[in-house]
Amino acid sequence: GENVEQHPSTLSVQEGDSAVIKCTYSDSASNYFPWYKQELGKRPQLIIDIRSNVGEKKDQRIAVTLNKTAKHFSLHITETQPEDSAVYFCAASTGGGGNKLTFGTGTQLKVEL
Amino acid sequence: GAVVSQHPSRVICKSGTSVKIECRSLDFQATTMFWYRQFPKQSLMLMATSNEGSKATYEQGVEKDKFLINHASLTLSTLTVTSAHPEDSSFYICSAAAVNTDTQYFGPGTRLTVL
Repeated sequence: GENVEQHPSTLSVQEGDSAVIKCTYSDSASNYFPWYKQELGKRPQLIIDIRSNVGEKKDQRIAVTLNKTAKHFSLHITETQPEDSAVYFCAASTGGGGNKLTFGTGTQLKVEL
Repeated sequence: GAVVSQHPSRVICKSGTSVKIECRSLDFQATTMFWYRQFPKQSLMLMATSNEGSKATYEQGVEKDKFLINHASLTLSTLTVTSAHPEDSSFYICSAAAVNTDTQYFGPGTRLTVL
């Protein structure tokens, strides 16, 4: 089955700096890669996703890049703010409503003032 | 749009009792719902995939007789933890995907504490 690795496990940045979180996946059939943000005790919230037919997607301060050949994808957050502090999870799926997500181990991001 | 609710948000029960958790998609129909368990400071671990009108598909190592799943309609799936024990204490979260879409939307989770 699919295996998703995520690094780093913790990341501390100064407010205004950029943060990058990286994930690798094992199943070449995976074609859907969402990123979720989870605050303590809350539900995971989808922040951005990318499908395998594109290499990059951007939404304001958040961007995701995908390298299908190397089987890795990354989350980029620019101009970080204290409210960006949370746990971020990457995931991979072969797509479709009935296809399960395999999650990475999570990255605790702390944005310091 | 794409709101998923979960009830109850928090439950405390005695060892040996059963607990039912409901997951509802409020503004869309979901042929597939997923049930996850999350221990403190860990990732989401998929327990089972719930399909409307058919038996759930359980992940390896998850006891289907202990974690009963019913997906009776396109907007409701239930997870029943039978004969709960303290080691079942965890954060249980459901997600739902609309028909023929990739995106999964998560419920707010249920904090289960078994005494």
